[in-house]
Amino acid sequence: EIVLTQSPGTLSLSPGERATLSCRASQSVSSNYLTWYQQKPGQAPRLLIYGASSRATGIPDRFSGSGSGTDFTLTISRLEPEDFAVYYCQQYGSSPPITFGQGTRLEIK
Amino acid sequence: QVQLVQSGSELKKPGASVKVSCKASGYTFTTYTMIWVRQAPGQGLEWMGWINTNTRIPAYAQGFTGRFVFSLDTSVSTAYLQITSLKAEDTAVYYCARLWTAAGTVDYWGQGTLVTVSS
Repeated sequence: EIVLTQSPGTLSLSPGERATLSCRASQSVSSNYLTWYQQKPGQAPRLLIYGASSRATGIPDRFSGSGSGTDFTLTISRLEPEDFAVYYCQQYGSSPPITFGQGTRLEIK
Repeated sequence: QVQLVQSGSELKKPGASVKVSCKASGYTFTTYTMIWVRQAPGQGLEWMGWINTNTRIPAYAQGFTGRFVFSLDTSVSTAYLQITSLKAEDTAVYYCARLWTAAGTVDYWGQGTLVTVSS
């Protein structure tokens, strides 16, 4: 069973700073089917990055994804106030077919 | 535009059943698998399983067999999640979401339905 481990659990940064979030898989992610979502309180998750590095429609270019195999990174180049939220990674294809990481909370310092 | 609109919040007693609906619009319903995701209060996202809207075949994640049933009414582009013999630990927000299989990602989400189980 594939397990996704996100780090850090909580990241405290200021607007304008760079954020780097990690997602590590216990085994290689099939075809780099690795997705990142953003979730704000009381809202459904929002698709940010799919295929490890492709930005979804309407996502600002300050969000970027990278990585392959078992190690993936979401980078937010310059934090805006609206970026403070919880971020989840998700894999598709391995057993079980869909798995989410436990999330990283990005909070204002 | 693609929309998934879920039914409203539910308050149920232990042992009761609940049926959550998810009405899709803006695309051909039977061309995308629908998944269900649970989020317990203050917790992360948990995949419950999915239903192939073309074959109508469901698949359930470990921990979601027996009391959880996915179904469809394709005539009204609606997916359903039924939970029977509700327990307090079923209290959560339940999301339906569209699986974009070719990209291995979930591209559209319903707004979520809060199910509260309390005596």
